[in-house]
Amino acid sequence: QVQLQESGPGLVKPSETLSLTCTVSGGSVSSGTYYWSWIRQPPGKGLQWIGYIYDSGTTNYDPSLMSRVTISLDTSKSHFSLKMRSVTAADTAVYYCARGGLNGKATTFDYWGQGALVTVSS
Amino acid sequence: AIQVTQSPSSLSASVGDRVTITCRASQGIRDDLVWYQQKPGKAPNLLIYGASTLQSGVPSRFSGSGTGTDFTLTISSLQPEDFATYYCLQDYTYPPTFGQGTKLEIK
Repeated sequence: QVQLQESGPGLVKPSETLSLTCTVSGGSVSSGTYYWSWIRQPPGKGLQWIGYIYDSGTTNYDPSLMSRVTISLDTSKSHFSLKMRSVTAADTAVYYCARGGLNGKATTFDYWGQGALVTVSS
Repeated sequence: AIQVTQSPSSLSASVGDRVTITCRASQGIRDDLVWYQQKPGKAPNLLIYGASTLQSGVPSRFSGSGTGTDFTLTISSLQPEDFATYYCLQDYTYPPTFGQGTKLEIK
């Protein structure tokens, strides 16, 4: 059974960099089949896709966040990571990692992490 | 980006009711629509992909239909565990975009 688990600081200061890691167990991040995404949800609001990475290192980001976001993959450690620069209070959200690739669609997510709340505040 | 509009935004219903939630895309997306269920404090759970294919393990009272711009999620007979928020997602093109959610509450 595939499991994903987010980890990282729960509090980040404005203008600094948010860093999260998603550890994948029960499956390989380098299988060549799946796409590894980050998705966020501000408190009480809806879901926004941030971007994905494929095992070749190919990435794809939401254009509205592209200038501030980097997703990377560490196959030796079975994890992938999110860095978001120059954060503001508007970036306060629960951040989910998720696996895509079901039905051949990179952004059909079948497994999700439990989510990590990141608050941007001084 | 393709806009996805869900309706209603909230809905009150009783156990045993038949419920329908709709999503409308701002342009045609073939059948590239996914439905998720989210309970408070939990990650979304995949219900249906490809507009109508039931994910393994999801009860058969859930069904999806539609193509192009208009889609529906139907729950044939509401169970207590179905009270949650439902989201649709278009994965036809990038960026994938979610509907704003439908909160299904107990009447």
